[in-house]
Amino acid sequence: ILNVEQSPQSLHVQEGDSTNFTCSFPSSNFYALHWYRWETAKSPEALFVMTLNGDEKKKGRISATLNTKEGYSYLYIKGSQPEDSATYLCAFNPTGANNLFFGTGTRLTVIP
Amino acid sequence: EPEVTQTPSHQVTQMGQEVILRCVPISNHLYFYWYRQILGQKVEFLVSFYNNEISEKSEIFDDQFSVERPDGSNFTLKIRSTKLEDSAMYFCASSDFTTGVGTQYFGPGTRLLVL
Repeated sequence: ILNVEQSPQSLHVQEGDSTNFTCSFPSSNFYALHWYRWETAKSPEALFVMTLNGDEKKKGRISATLNTKEGYSYLYIKGSQPEDSATYLCAFNPTGANNLFFGTGTRLTVIP
Repeated sequence: EPEVTQTPSHQVTQMGQEVILRCVPISNHLYFYWYRQILGQKVEFLVSFYNNEISEKSEIFDDQFSVERPDGSNFTLKIRSTKLEDSAMYFCASSDFTTGVGTQYFGPGTRLLVL
């Protein structure tokens, strides 16, 4: 079983604050790293798929970076809004497999 | 926007009973998956399905589990004789893989409770 870890487990921030969280994954047999945003009772929403070391992707106020050599990815949210409150999941896709190995998630609460 | 749908949203069953969880993947997708999340634990992979056969499965996916694509739209997960430890949220996902690494699009899940 491949170990994918996320930190922190939960986070409370004030509206307008910027925040970031970490996903760590095995640095060998890397194929892709996925980020999802999951609100309760809804489908996990795909945010990014990252494949190249040094990759940086952006979607509105959310961005992510990737370091495959050391096995980590950061997700950044700039100017958090209450609607950003959700659990953010990362998932590691190893070489030669289509299945994803998920972290435990970071539960973000943005306080108005 | 196309989405993956799952039915039912919740199911309660007695231990030993058979359950079938249903999914309608996105229509032009070719790869289908089932994952589950036991309360408080990580989302974990069960099985992937391509070209009408299982392409990968995890250790969890034992003989009690089976998958089927009975027609051109549905993708089902059957648990033959449910156990208490099968209680979990079950997610279906699909992807097309036509553009390199495929994003897996998830449904909203079926929450299964085995009593």
